[in-house]
Amino acid sequence: GENVEQHPSTLSVQEGDSAVIKCTYSDSASNYFPWYKQELGKGPQLIIDIRSNVGEKKDQRIAVTLNKTAKHFSLHITETQPEDSAVYFCAAMIKAAGNKLTFGGGTRVLVKP
Amino acid sequence: DAGITQSPRYKITETGRQVTLMCHQTWSHSYMFWYRQDLGHGLRLIYYSAAADITDKGEVPDGYVVSRSKTENFPLTLESATRSQTSVYFCATAGTGTETQYFGPGTRLLVL
Repeated sequence: GENVEQHPSTLSVQEGDSAVIKCTYSDSASNYFPWYKQELGKGPQLIIDIRSNVGEKKDQRIAVTLNKTAKHFSLHITETQPEDSAVYFCAAMIKAAGNKLTFGGGTRVLVKP
Repeated sequence: DAGITQSPRYKITETGRQVTLMCHQTWSHSYMFWYRQDLGHGLRLIYYSAAADITDKGEVPDGYVVSRSKTENFPLTLESATRSQTSVYFCATAGTGTETQYFGPGTRLLVL
């Protein structure tokens, strides 16, 4: 089955700096890649996603890039703010196979003021 | 509109007891999912359902049972709880034709 690896497991950045989280996936049939943000005591919330026919997507301060050949995708957060502190999860899905997500292990991001 | 609700939010039980975690959604989404979240493992899929009366196993189904007699409810039962089932359990939903999954607030389960 699909396997998703996520790095780093923890990331500490100074407010205003950029943060980058990287994920690799194993199944070349995966075609949907969402990123979720989880705040303490809450459920994960979708922040951005990308489909396999797109190489990059941006939404304000966050962007995701996808390299299908290398089977990796990354989340970029620019101008980080204290409210960006959370755990971030990447995931991969084969849309024709039951809409099941396989998640990476998560990255705990701490933005220091 | 509550969206997705999970109950109870916190549960302490003993080894060997049966426990049922409830998930209720108000969106009439076709798909419903149960995940468990453990440190170092991210979220792992336990069971999912594509529609009422249709369920299938995920990555870690052993020790769990699900049913879905109504579209809006997807209960997860631990028939004989074990300490290894101590975890945070999340329910999620997704509409037909969309990939986006929406997560509930979670249930923290401690098995003593």
